[in-house]
Amino acid sequence: DPKIIQKPKYLVAVTGSEKILICEQYLGHNAMYWYRQSAKKPLEFMFSYSYQKLMDNQTASSRFQPQSSKKNHLDLQITALKPDDSATYFCASSQDLNQDTQYFGPGTRLLVL
Amino acid sequence: GDSVTQTEGPVTVSESESLIINCTYSATSIAYPNLFWYVRYPGEGLQLLLKVITAGQKGSSRGFEATYNKETTSFHLQKASVQESDSAVYYCALGSSSNTNKVVFGTGTRLQVLP
Repeated sequence: DPKIIQKPKYLVAVTGSEKILICEQYLGHNAMYWYRQSAKKPLEFMFSYSYQKLMDNQTASSRFQPQSSKKNHLDLQITALKPDDSATYFCASSQDLNQDTQYFGPGTRLLVL
Repeated sequence: GDSVTQTEGPVTVSESESLIINCTYSATSIAYPNLFWYVRYPGEGLQLLLKVITAGQKGSSRGFEATYNKETTSFHLQKASVQESDSAVYYCALGSSSNTNKVVFGTGTRLQVLP
């Protein structure tokens, strides 16, 4: 059974719209993360959360807003979408911070037209 | 900032041949980062292959090995005899912060093993 669920798997959006990417982990972890991978670029760290508190935000834009309604959920809301936002977005989790190993979800591939 | 540089792919080798994927890192925000190799098999998600947290130590998994060399800031991935099932994309990464657990990834190396 998948331990980290990301929904949807694929997403097509129009420029200017808003989308929410869903992430749930069933590993009992206390820390969760979002990463992004654009074409031909490395995975890029976006956010880290611990016990539902934001620990680090490395995104330059406020259009990206994580939302944590429960300890095992960390959704990503993206507003005013742009074609440059097209990428695969990966959710990850770890037991805690302190360089604990992160486990990744399968990703949501977003295409903005 | 911290960075990871690895062999640019694709890398093509024949089954039973040896493999090395080079990885070097630069860590400015943390003195002794954890080092990782992650792998993504076709149609699957990213998964941890091996992890080493102590300089000078070697990690191994599924026949792959990597040694944490702080002097040369390298963490090369090696396998003595590859199999077709090893075809995947391999990512070298470092743990950039103990406070926020940010991980910095290399660009990935696509490996194709020919039968």
